[in-house]
Amino acid sequence: DAKTTQPNSMESNEEEPVHLPCNHSTISGTDYIHWYRQLPSQGPEYVIHGLTSNVNNRMASLAIAEDRKSSTLILHRATLRDAAVYYCILRDKGWGAQKLVFGQGTRLTINP
Amino acid sequence: KAGVTQTPRYLIKTRGQQVTLSCSPISGHRSVSWYQQTPGQGLQFLFEYFSETQRNKGNFPGRFSGRQFSNSRSEMNVSTLELGDSALYLCASSFRTEITDTQYFGPGTRLTVL
Repeated sequence: DAKTTQPNSMESNEEEPVHLPCNHSTISGTDYIHWYRQLPSQGPEYVIHGLTSNVNNRMASLAIAEDRKSSTLILHRATLRDAAVYYCILRDKGWGAQKLVFGQGTRLTINP
Repeated sequence: KAGVTQTPRYLIKTRGQQVTLSCSPISGHRSVSWYQQTPGQGLQFLFEYFSETQRNKGNFPGRFSGRQFSNSRSEMNVSTLELGDSALYLCASSFRTEITDTQYFGPGTRLTVL
């Protein structure tokens, strides 16, 4: 499984944008970049995923570098509810790739 | 649509006992995966069931087993419990298509082994 590298922790202020980086230098051409987050005392929840192009949804944006060796999850206006551990995960497509391989993730703290 | 449900939410057992945890996936989802979360090892994949068959398996001893029923509900069993099995056990369900799809997690079962 291809590995990802994320900072252990980050801190931001409420209502400010947050940029969460992820390095994945060994990414293969068929690996999708997924982001999940885990709020305190809850199971992980899906945030966003992409392959090559930048992606937007109601929760966040995903910016993918041109060489795909890194990506950034962008929370446009952080709220206290966004305080969580964020996981960047690479997933291939196909029947054998169902499992999620979680790293240590980035613990995001939001200050009021 | 109801989310993934797991029962029980909390469980206390003693070493040597066995335990069975239950997971009900989102309606229509046919794949159920199990994960173990501990402070030391983080989130680790245990196994995945699809159409009542185990499709993927993580690197855990044979004491950890599971099954899936025809209605897609799944159970996982841990026999001969050890102190190190204390963890949050998470279940996730998905539609399971060839293209990578979203997994929806339940709230987990917190197992404490004394």
